[in-house]
Amino acid sequence: SYVLTQPPSVSVAPGKTARITCGGNDIGNKGVHWYQQRPGQAPVLVIYYNADRPSGIPERFSGSKSGNTATLTISGVEAGDEADYYCQVRDSGSDHWVFGGGTKLTVV
Amino acid sequence: QVHLVQSGAEVKKPGSSVRVSCEASGGAFSSHIISWVRQAPGQGLEWMGRIILMFGSTRYAQKFQGRVTIAADKLTGTTYMDLNSLTPEDTAVYYCALENYMVPADLRSFDYWGQGTLITVSS
Repeated sequence: SYVLTQPPSVSVAPGKTARITCGGNDIGNKGVHWYQQRPGQAPVLVIYYNADRPSGIPERFSGSKSGNTATLTISGVEAGDEADYYCQVRDSGSDHWVFGGGTKLTVV
Repeated sequence: QVHLVQSGAEVKKPGSSVRVSCEASGGAFSSHIISWVRQAPGQGLEWMGRIILMFGSTRYAQKFQGRVTIAADKLTGTTYMDLNSLTPEDTAVYYCALENYMVPADLRSFDYWGQGTLITVSS
């Protein structure tokens, strides 16, 4: 089955830029989505189809891909950005959804 | 704007079954795909399966095949997830999430989520 690999944790100082990676075989040919999950809350879509932002998501959130890695970038990090972040792709062969293991973003 | 409202928390005994519901309001019900995702305590998100409401067709993750059933009531706009043969390892928050079937498959994402339902399995 398809596997997405994320670092368990990323730490960043307020105002700096956080980058969260998501690796997967042939991820360059898949649409990658990113979700933010604050403690005790349901996930929220922050980036869809690699780099598009839903309405209401700040421009500080951006997405990109290079080779076998997708990256969620959060610029000008704020304390409120502290959360778990998950990448997601559809495995088109099985028509199943796959999530990465999640990355805990800590603002220090 | 779509709003997903799930049923309340439950405590179940090992070996029993549970049904979690997800009622959708707003949007066109027939254009919805509802997935179920669970999250064990302190763990990540795990996709369980989905139903395309226009056709009633389902797809399940291999891990849950034979143990989970997803169905929908078009009249009420409610989707159900049944999980049987429960064990303590099924203790988790269960979420429903919505994709728009009218969007090309490659662009679809989980645009809306329910609030989550905590299922606790304990003797």
